[in-house]
Amino acid sequence: DTGVSQDPRHKITKRGQNVTFRCDPISEHNRLYWYRQTLGQGPEFLTYFQNEAQLEKSRLLSDRFSAERPKGSFSTLEIQRTEQGDSAMYLCASSLISGGPNNEQFFGPGTRLTVL
Amino acid sequence: LAKTTQPISMDSYEGQEVNITCSHNNIATNDYITWYQQFPSQGPRFIIQGYKTKVTNEVASLFIPADRKSSTLSLPRVSLSDTAVYYCLVGARYSSASKIIFGSGTRLSIRP
Repeated sequence: DTGVSQDPRHKITKRGQNVTFRCDPISEHNRLYWYRQTLGQGPEFLTYFQNEAQLEKSRLLSDRFSAERPKGSFSTLEIQRTEQGDSAMYLCASSLISGGPNNEQFFGPGTRLTVL
Repeated sequence: LAKTTQPISMDSYEGQEVNITCSHNNIATNDYITWYQQFPSQGPRFIIQGYKTKVTNEVASLFIPADRKSSTLSLPRVSLSDTAVYYCLVGARYSSASKIIFGSGTRLSIRP
């Protein structure tokens, strides 16, 4: 257990539905990252927060995806109008502000999304 | 953006030393080399990070030659629990988060 929690662990939804995932980072970590991972591939960067500010978003991130970190603590990732191609593991990670984004990241267990 | 190349898979036996090499021919001066380990149905876990020569911690050693165009993660006396995917990442400490690329990793299988 890294101290990063994600909820739910599994989500099955029908195409076209909206889903929201939550990530609770390690409390003293200012940075929070969202990744997506499909079978056989490494995690793919989606977006990144420093405190409550969303500093980076992947160019691959569809406008159906939105993320928030309203108080600089937990974060949510919402996918609207889900598609079957959204089926993946969604990983959250957090890190200390010192050392930059390439500093050690602590990952949560992920949320596995299946879109039927 | 430094691209990394790793073997897709490796096999070894319990008690052996395992060395996983990562190629990063166009590594930049400010780039560090970082390795993560990932077990099935879990998020990746940081193993080790280095810039040059040798770094050792309680889990692994990282060997980086003088030209820094490759690096080798060394796992001493592996056990079945070391079966996992290992990712080599290259990037500057303060690089853009979107430039930290995991790639497909090396799938290490340890046999009894």
